[in-house]
Amino acid sequence: DAGITQSPRHKVTETGTPVTLRCHQTENHRYMYWYRQDPGHGLRLIHYSYGVKDTDKGEVSDGYSVSRSKTEDFLLTLESATSSQTSVYFCATQEPGDSEAFFGQGTRLTVV
Amino acid sequence: DQQVKQNSPSLSVQEGRISILNCDYTNSMFDYFLWYKKYPAEGPTFLISISSIKDKNEDGRFTVFLNKSAKHLSLHIVPSQPGDSAVYFCAASERNNDMRFGAGTRLTVKP
Repeated sequence: DAGITQSPRHKVTETGTPVTLRCHQTENHRYMYWYRQDPGHGLRLIHYSYGVKDTDKGEVSDGYSVSRSKTEDFLLTLESATSSQTSVYFCATQEPGDSEAFFGQGTRLTVV
Repeated sequence: DQQVKQNSPSLSVQEGRISILNCDYTNSMFDYFLWYKKYPAEGPTFLISISSIKDKNEDGRFTVFLNKSAKHLSLHIVPSQPGDSAVYFCAASERNNDMRFGAGTRLTVKP
């Protein structure tokens, strides 16, 4: 268990509001990822980070931004939430060269 | 453009029998393949992996087979147990980075 904490675990927000999800890890893994899970799509990569202040876009990055100012924290921001961003969001961490990535327990976000 | 595909959304097997979960990929640059298992309200957990230099990897009841020419991999669970009931995700990566996942297959093992 890589000690990954996602907060909040559940959130309901209104369309048009900004939302920030937090991922905190205690294992000092260099790589961090944000995925969203939707029925029929599995897990899709939103953004990833290979180190502090080193982030890049994934498959479904539109409407999302990220920041990584410390190794242990990776923030995902929905700049103006839309109903299509209702989903379950997972954070993952990984050490370079390791095959296994570790996932947090997820954040269920509902945009109404 | 889904680079990793799991075409069976669900699979039901009897306890003690074999479960075979399939996965296809399109990107020939993928060189590492993984299976994750997910229970409701939990994050995915790593199950087993295989690199492109192998065609089989075994870990207890779980075996992953890779057919590079067909761009196909499969996960075999023998014997299947009720506790194996979960959603299984296939994932692929290039140089161990940036995993791409399939849509998942929900396995139900009936007692």
